[in-house]
Amino acid sequence: DAKTTQPTSMDCAEGRAANLPCNHSTISGNEYVYWYRQIHSQGPQYIIHGLKNNETNEMASLIITEDRKSSTLILPHATLRDTAVYYCIVRVVGTDKLIFGTGTRLQVFP
Amino acid sequence: EAQVTQNPRYLITVTGKKLTVTCSQNMNHEYMSWYRQDPGLGLRQIYYSMNVEVTDKGDVPEGYKVSRKEKRNFPLILESPSPNQTSLYFCASSSPIGQGADEQYFGPGTRLTVT
Repeated sequence: DAKTTQPTSMDCAEGRAANLPCNHSTISGNEYVYWYRQIHSQGPQYIIHGLKNNETNEMASLIITEDRKSSTLILPHATLRDTAVYYCIVRVVGTDKLIFGTGTRLQVFP
Repeated sequence: EAQVTQNPRYLITVTGKKLTVTCSQNMNHEYMSWYRQDPGLGLRQIYYSMNVEVTDKGDVPEGYKVSRKEKRNFPLILESPSPNQTSLYFCASSSPIGQGADEQYFGPGTRLTVT
């Protein structure tokens, strides 16, 4: 199973784009990249996922490199409410297994 | 409203006293999982179930049991809790990738303290 590595923490000014990187160099062909975030000790909240194409939804964009060894989550206009721990995760097709790393603590400041 | 519910939300118990944390989902999901979260270790999967009567071990199954007799429920059982099982527990549910919503829904968490 692939593991992910992320920076421990990042800061971002309110209104600016937050770009959160993730390395998953051992990812397999049947593993999806998922992003979740966790605010305080609440249940993790789904953000976005992708296999090999870039994806966008109302919350964020996900850019996956062509070799799939890394990805970047983009929050286009960060707000104070986006302050959270962001997890980059791989999920294996055909299983429910999510492999969490230790995440990036994003602090959005005014 | 689509949701995963867990009970209790907070529990303080003593070593060796059997307990059950319930988990229920209302989205007809096939997959359900239990995770524990400890400081510095992130979330680790305890057990998962891909359908009724189908369960399998995750990364940290020791000291836990689960059952999946109905699709909506997936209780976590600690037969003889120990202090090292003090943790924050999350239940989650999802559909298989490509068969409906692909996200995994998480419950609000159960904070367990074993003294």
